[in-house]
Amino acid sequence: SQQGEEDPQALSIQEGENATMNCSYKTSINNLQWYRQNSGRGLVHLILIRSNEREKHSGRLRVTLDTSKKSSSLLITASRAADTASYFCALYGGATNKLIFGTGTLLAVQP
Amino acid sequence: DAGITQSPRHKVTETGTPVTLRCHQTENHRYMYWYRQDPGHGLRLIHYSYGVKDTDKGEVSDGYSVSRSKTEDFLLTLESATSSQTSVYFCAISELGTGEQYFGPGTRLTVT
Repeated sequence: SQQGEEDPQALSIQEGENATMNCSYKTSINNLQWYRQNSGRGLVHLILIRSNEREKHSGRLRVTLDTSKKSSSLLITASRAADTASYFCALYGGATNKLIFGTGTLLAVQP
Repeated sequence: DAGITQSPRHKVTETGTPVTLRCHQTENHRYMYWYRQDPGHGLRLIHYSYGVKDTDKGEVSDGYSVSRSKTEDFLLTLESATSSQTSVYFCAISELGTGEQYFGPGTRLTVT
């Protein structure tokens, strides 16, 4: 399968702690994206990192990309209860304008 | 939800009946996608469109057809629904370039 594989599948932390989730993949990519999905809702784009970038920040989010290891990580700092959601990585190869999604990490932030 | 609506939002139907789901966008984006989301599988692409009347298959296209007669509308049809098509269906749109997609709110379909 070309999809990203995410680790862990589920993560439970306390409010204020940092949350880290990882995505590994096998194919070559143009960019890698992270999405959030709240229960019962559609996915929301969080951040995009290009294949020639190593790190990117957006507010409390930090994404790293290691193309030699074919892996990415998403760090959410100072987690809040509102961060409780599923997080998906998505691979963009460029040629077909299609995204390949991972199976997601379910994050639960306890107040 | 970035100017994307899906209808209906919920539907229960019987095995063997035809079902059509509608995705409507107000963003004038070229690309439109239909996904299904099932536990343990993440999002899987059913069909996508790269322009009016231009469509192509995704990884799970069997049993589904699509049509796009206008830029703003992308229809997904289950010709004869089966219980294995019980799922949550999401529509998404995208511009060219980065592949960033914007998702609709989803349609929960139950086939009994």
